[in-house]
Amino acid sequence: SSVLTQPASVSVAPGQTATITCSGDKVRNKFVHWYRVKTGQAPVLVVYDDSDRPSGIPERISASHSGDPATLIIKRAEAGDEADYYCQVWDSSADQWLFGGGTKLAVL
Amino acid sequence: VELLESGGGLVRRGESQRLSCVGSGFRFNILFMGWVRRAPGKGLEWVASVSGSGSNTYYADSVRGRFTISRVNSENTVYLQMDSLRVEDTATYYCVKGDEEGPTAGDSFDHWGLGTQVAVSS
Repeated sequence: SSVLTQPASVSVAPGQTATITCSGDKVRNKFVHWYRVKTGQAPVLVVYDDSDRPSGIPERISASHSGDPATLIIKRAEAGDEADYYCQVWDSSADQWLFGGGTKLAVL
Repeated sequence: VELLESGGGLVRRGESQRLSCVGSGFRFNILFMGWVRRAPGKGLEWVASVSGSGSNTYYADSVRGRFTISRVNSENTVYLQMDSLRVEDTATYYCVKGDEEGPTAGDSFDHWGLGTQVAVSS
């Protein structure tokens, strides 16, 4: 099991807001990054350093982080948002990267 | 930015395999590079990372002592030497590039290759 805990699945109606959490001791006081993995595609960075978006990621995708948990927020959800989402933290005490177990987002 | 992996395939348990990743379109020699894998039906698992100079390497506990990450900056290439392969190493292996905020070991992976598949048979 992952040190970073994510819900296995989240469902959201089109146009509504989806939230995905990432929790655990290692989340506190660390930058959290988020990745999206669509079926058959390579992962894509959607949020880095808790709340920054890479170029090309729409503003309706955001994240927040204050202590535990960190949260990925997808507003006005659409079918194209369906994917697995992973949080990631650098554990500097062990010099290792940690990934959450992943959350499958369904837009129903 | 482009990351192109190669070297995957089918091997037997206990054998070795070397993956390569050629990067282009960025300052290869100063950025962290790494490998992340995803086993069938499983989540993402970080495997290894290497600093821009190659002098610092980092490994997941599951591969330490069996896998070696290295790089040749003059060739814009990062390698993953995998020895004593196990069935549980079967996965798609992605080459990843650290972002340019640092460079530090904790930089996010802002670009990923398409992946190369490694299958280890028993």
